[in-house]
Amino acid sequence: AQTVTQSQPEMSVQEAETVTLSCTYDTSENNYYLFWYKQPPSRQMILVIRQEAYKQQNATENRFSVNFQKAAKSFSLKISDSQLGDTAMYFCAFTPNFGNEKLTFGTGTRLTIIP
Amino acid sequence: DAGVIQSPRHEVTEMGQEVTLRCKPISGHDYLFWYRQTMMRGLELLIYFNNNVPIDDSGMPEDRFSAKMPNASFSTLKIQPSEPRDSAVYFCASSPTIPPDRVFYEQYFGPGTRLTVT
Repeated sequence: AQTVTQSQPEMSVQEAETVTLSCTYDTSENNYYLFWYKQPPSRQMILVIRQEAYKQQNATENRFSVNFQKAAKSFSLKISDSQLGDTAMYFCAFTPNFGNEKLTFGTGTRLTIIP
Repeated sequence: DAGVIQSPRHEVTEMGQEVTLRCKPISGHDYLFWYRQTMMRGLELLIYFNNNVPIDDSGMPEDRFSAKMPNASFSTLKIQPSEPRDSAVYFCASSPTIPPDRVFYEQYFGPGTRLTVT
């Protein structure tokens, strides 16, 4: 079974600063996908970024980037130039490449951007 | 597209009552997922369907929970009888047919139903 661990329940950072959220996972699969979802106070789950395990290059989406360390089973999210609208819960999630469409989520990190 | 639609957005009920949550997936999506979110357990997958057929219901907590998908555009999650520990936010999500390499795989979430059982 896969597990996803987010060890930082809460974080806060000043606006315009950079923040990194941690995520580790455990799996015996070789091919899989990792995701970061954002959940603002509206409760809507929004996909922020995805990473394919077979790709060496780290994914980036504007101010959001990941540091994917496959050997260490680590998948951290970096938010640059943080904005007030980044305040939300952030969930790391995993799905294997074949046969199982389940998303396994971590417990989340509550991020607060301070004006 | 309107996205995944869930109703009601909020539900307050008394212990022992039957509760029905509803979901309309995005048109054309073949997969539908029901999740439960609580402070203690985070986001848990309860059940998912492919082409209206339940594929995995191992996350359904008890026989009090049941889910149906009578057609491609509608699904229900029913709790009977409800208990205070069922209080949570219930999300429905849908996704299109998953390509072999899953490069563009994404689950699209609805706004959730906040259930309070007193």
